[in-house]
Amino acid sequence: GENVEQHPSTLSVQEGDSAVIKCTYSDSASNYFPWYKQELGKRPQLIIDIRSNVGEKKDQRIAVTLNKTAKHFSLHITETQPEDSAVYFCAATQAGTALIFGKGTTLSVSS
Amino acid sequence: DAGVIQSPRHEVTEMGQEVTLRCKPISGHNSLFWYRQTMMRGLELLIYFNNNVPIDDSGMPEDRFSAKMPNASFSTLKIQPSEPRDSAVYFCASSAPSQGGEKLFFGSGTQLSVL
Repeated sequence: GENVEQHPSTLSVQEGDSAVIKCTYSDSASNYFPWYKQELGKRPQLIIDIRSNVGEKKDQRIAVTLNKTAKHFSLHITETQPEDSAVYFCAATQAGTALIFGKGTTLSVSS
Repeated sequence: DAGVIQSPRHEVTEMGQEVTLRCKPISGHNSLFWYRQTMMRGLELLIYFNNNVPIDDSGMPEDRFSAKMPNASFSTLKIQPSEPRDSAVYFCASSAPSQGGEKLFFGSGTQLSVL
């Protein structure tokens, strides 16, 4: 089955800096790669996703890139703000299977 | 829509007791998932249902765990007997076929503490 590795487990940045979180997956059949944000004590919520026929997708300050050959994808947050502080999870799946999540990255943005 | 509804929000029980967690998916969603979250293991898939039928239960830790989905609007996750290592946040999530079935909407979770 699918296995998703996520790095780093913790990330501390200064407000205004960029943050990058990286994930690798094992199953070459996976074709959908979402990112979820979980604030303290809250539920995970989808922030951006990418499909395997696209190499990059951007939504305001966040972007995701995908390298299918290397089987890795990354989340990029620019101009970080204190409200970006949260746990971020990457995940991978293919049609008919459930999302498999990485172990999460705790992002801390200090002002 | 009220979103995915889970109950209870918090459950404290003693080792050996039976625990039942409940979930009501979003109306119209045909897939339902149970995940367990711990600091050490992150978000682990326990089981998922499609059209009320269990599709993949390979993540269920052992026979102490069981899950049912008697109809499209209700699912339960039962632990019997419970053990301290079962302490975690249990999330239920649902997804809709109209969205490719992949976008998950999570409930608020049940914080389970087994003493």
